[in-house]
Amino acid sequence: EAQVTQNPRYLITVTGKKLTVTCSQNMNHEYMSWYRQDPGLGLRQIYYSMNVEVTDKGDVPEGYKVSRKEKRNFPLILESPSPNQTSLYFCASVGTVHSMNTEAFFGQGTRLTVV
Amino acid sequence: DAKTTQPPSMDCAEGRAANLPCNHSTISGNEYVYWYRQIHSQGPQYIIHGLKNNETNEMASLIITEDRKSSTLILPHATLRDTAVYYCIVRPYNFNKFYFGSGTKLNVKP
Repeated sequence: EAQVTQNPRYLITVTGKKLTVTCSQNMNHEYMSWYRQDPGLGLRQIYYSMNVEVTDKGDVPEGYKVSRKEKRNFPLILESPSPNQTSLYFCASVGTVHSMNTEAFFGQGTRLTVV
Repeated sequence: DAKTTQPPSMDCAEGRAANLPCNHSTISGNEYVYWYRQIHSQGPQYIIHGLKNNETNEMASLIITEDRKSSTLILPHATLRDTAVYYCIVRPYNFNKFYFGSGTKLNVKP
């Protein structure tokens, strides 16, 4: 079954304690991205990756890092989380970078609370 | 970069067709229209997409006007499980992001 898997689903952490949210897809997709969703602000893109070792900033990259060492995984790293990063996070993957006729698959989300 | 305009909310009676409109007047010739929905706080779920012809799948139908400036998503027999936020998205050519906008909150009522 085609899947994007995020872990953990829920996380409560303290300010400044580094954390990683993992994202893995089993569809051999080239394109992956991270979004955060906040009330009234919709889904905003944090970072995206067009392929292995190719990453770029989205709309709200401050305070986040990503890596793409292998095609299936695209972890989101918060080096020093702050309360304003409390949010619902989604990972997404899309099949072919330059095809307009493919859909995006989303993970089930990670609800992060930074206290 | 608002590419689509949708009503903030709509009601629909269970068993009836739900017709969700979307305006995308600045759409380019090679841009597709996608529809996704988000139930509670789950990950957005793909529904359907199209370029210029009407499309139908097991979930819904998509009607795109001839000038491609607007479209309508049709859920033929809405159920309570269809209560969700529905997003109309115009897929940008540079492919870097999906602009989700605010979507339409569909409330299906018994």
